[in-house]
Amino acid sequence: NAGVTQTPKFQVLKTGQSMTLQCAQDMNHNSMYWYRQDPGMGLRLIYYSASEGTTDKGEVPNGYNVSRLNKREFSLRLESAAPSQTSVYFCASSIPGQQETQYFGPGTRLLVL
Amino acid sequence: GEDVEQSLFLSVREGDSSVINCTYTDSSSTYLYWYKQEPGAGLQLLTYIFSNMDMKQDQRLTVLLNKKDKHLSLCIADTQTGDSAIYFCAENGGYNKLIFGAGTRLAVHP
Repeated sequence: NAGVTQTPKFQVLKTGQSMTLQCAQDMNHNSMYWYRQDPGMGLRLIYYSASEGTTDKGEVPNGYNVSRLNKREFSLRLESAAPSQTSVYFCASSIPGQQETQYFGPGTRLLVL
Repeated sequence: GEDVEQSLFLSVREGDSSVINCTYTDSSSTYLYWYKQEPGAGLQLLTYIFSNMDMKQDQRLTVLLNKKDKHLSLCIADTQTGDSAIYFCAENGGYNKLIFGAGTRLAVHP
């Protein structure tokens, strides 16, 4: 099992460019999440998907869109990148009921100039 | 609203015990968690505690929960250099959402 995988690992964008961060899990988990991690602020939830076909906003959804393509894949899109979106982005997945443990991917480091 | 707070930095000598503290606000949290993040990596679940417990031990790790004060501690016995990392406390915020603290950076020196 690869667990949770994310691509790309690093990306540099110019202000106004768009990009999609990809996430996939092979653990047959129902729920998937996107977080951003900024220094001194821990992880903040951007969007989550409780099951295939559903998505909901988290704490900081502005400037992002998501797609739950199928049970395995959950993508995060920045339509018009801003310097404030410079961050490390983590994808996670979980099965409700198993102590609600979330399993994290290795992260995508994004720099917006 | 929900909030999780932890001190940002802890330095200990190799072989000593480390105690990382956390306070949370949501008294209805079912589970509380400790995650570890090594440099350049994602978060890895270290341990969790169910809200009706006050202590859980797992090898060198001991989790203490004071529900009355909403205070959670992670104790690492015989701290090693490999324990150097950022440790995140998290509470279950409902609907499978986790609320994370800002993380405590543990530095272990010889």
